[in-house]
Amino acid sequence: KQEVTQIPAALSVPEGENLVLNCSFTDSAIYNLQWFRQDPGKGLTSLLLIQSSQREQTSGRLNASLDKSSGRSTLYIAASQPGDSATYLCACGKAAGNKLTFGGGTRVLVKP
Amino acid sequence: DGGITQSPKYLFRKEGQNVTLSCEQNLNHDAMYWYRQDPGQGLRLIYYSQIVNDFQKGDIAEGYSVSREKKESFPLTVTSAQKNPTAFYLCASTTVVKLGNTIYFGEGSWLTVV
Repeated sequence: KQEVTQIPAALSVPEGENLVLNCSFTDSAIYNLQWFRQDPGKGLTSLLLIQSSQREQTSGRLNASLDKSSGRSTLYIAASQPGDSATYLCACGKAAGNKLTFGGGTRVLVKP
Repeated sequence: DGGITQSPKYLFRKEGQNVTLSCEQNLNHDAMYWYRQDPGQGLRLIYYSQIVNDFQKGDIAEGYSVSREKKESFPLTVTSAQKNPTAFYLCASTTVVKLGNTIYFGEGSWLTVV
C-alpha cells in the first residue's frame, strides 16, 4: 500500500527566501505525482503535475522534481511572498481509476 | 464559469441521522471522487466513479454511500453507521480520457456531529 509523507509538517520563512518542500513515497510504481495548494477551509488547487516519465515540471516561480527510484519529489518556490502562505500537499497517482494517495501536507507561513 | 459546486458548506448531523452532501460539476468530466480530510491531515478516498451508474469503494468507504445517476452529479450520504463523521469533505473530478490529467476540487463541505 502506497504511503506518502511530507516533512516538515509546518515551515516558517521570511519573505524573499526560497521554499523547499519535500514529499516521499514508498511505492515507486506511480503514474504521476501532483502538488496542490490548499488555503484554510478551502478546496485544493492543482499547482504542478509530473508524469512518471518526467523528471520535473515548472510553472512561474514553482518547480517540482521527481525521482522515482528514491521515492522523492521536491517542490521549490522561488522568492517566496506572503501570498504563498498556505498548506501544500503532494499526491501520488495510480493508473487504475486515476486515484490519488495524499501526504499530510506542509503548512507554510511566509512572514513579511 | 465551469467548476465543481459542493453544498451545503456547513452541515450539522444529529446522532443516528443520515445526511447527504451534494456535488455537481459542469466540466463534462467522466470521473468523480469523494475525499475526507481530518484537521491537519491529508485526504483519504471514500468513493469514486469513472462512469455513470458505476462506482467503487475507496480506502474508507464504511459508513458512506454514493450514487451516480447523472454524469454531473455525485452525492455522498453519510449514514448513521459512520461513527466519527466530523470532518471536511471534498469532491473532485477529472477526465479519464487521458489518464493523469489535472484533478479539480470543489470548495468542500464541513460536517459536524452535534
